Amino acid sequence: ETGVTQSPTHLIKTRGQQVTLRCSSQSGHNTVSWYQQALGQGPQFIFQYYREEENGRGNFPPRFSGLQFPNYSSELNVNALELDDSALYLCASSVRRAGVGDTQYFGPGTRLTVL
Amino acid sequence: GENVEQHPSTLSVQEGDSAVIKCTYSDSASNYFPWYKQELGKGSQLIIDIRSNVGEKKDQRIAVTLNKTAKHFSLHITETQPEDSAVYFCAASKNDDKIIFGKGTRLHILP
Repeated sequence: ETGVTQSPTHLIKTRGQQVTLRCSSQSGHNTVSWYQQALGQGPQFIFQYYREEENGRGNFPPRFSGLQFPNYSSELNVNALELDDSALYLCASSVRRAGVGDTQYFGPGTRLTVL
Repeated sequence: GENVEQHPSTLSVQEGDSAVIKCTYSDSASNYFPWYKQELGKGSQLIIDIRSNVGEKKDQRIAVTLNKTAKHFSLHITETQPEDSAVYFCAASKNDDKIIFGKGTRLHILP
């Protein structure tokens, strides 16, 4: 167990809807990264949040957005859902010091199905 | 940007034998190489990692080697056991920021 929790575990939505996924980071960690893992693929980096600000973004459209709260927990929001958004969404927490990150520890993921 | 290739995609080994998974990366600036094990319902577990200032690291039955010149790194599991069956991902990053993953290797341990 990494101490990183995600909710919900599973979610079913329809095209065009909006979804919010949540992540609680491991105690003492100040950075949260989000990844999308399609079936049979490796995880792909969506974005990272550090001290409540976005600190790097992958090749995902603006309808993927996020937040980090003062307690370092985080949300991933996806608007205008598309069928291809169906995937396992993983968050990872880590510690960032002096501009350098440390090992990322992953949560169990949220399985999103878009119908 | 960084690209990580991982081989093989599927690997079956007899229980007790060794398993080797190989990865290559493209960005010579990458300096951190973690390996994750993914099991159904258990998320991704970090099993070992190596930084670019080291050529080899071992933790019990698991070892990782890094060849910076060739931009290759490999995972070695010795004396494989049934609980080693899982999907393994190699990855590369710079300063532990955005992690770029390989596509994964499904390891089957045969009785």
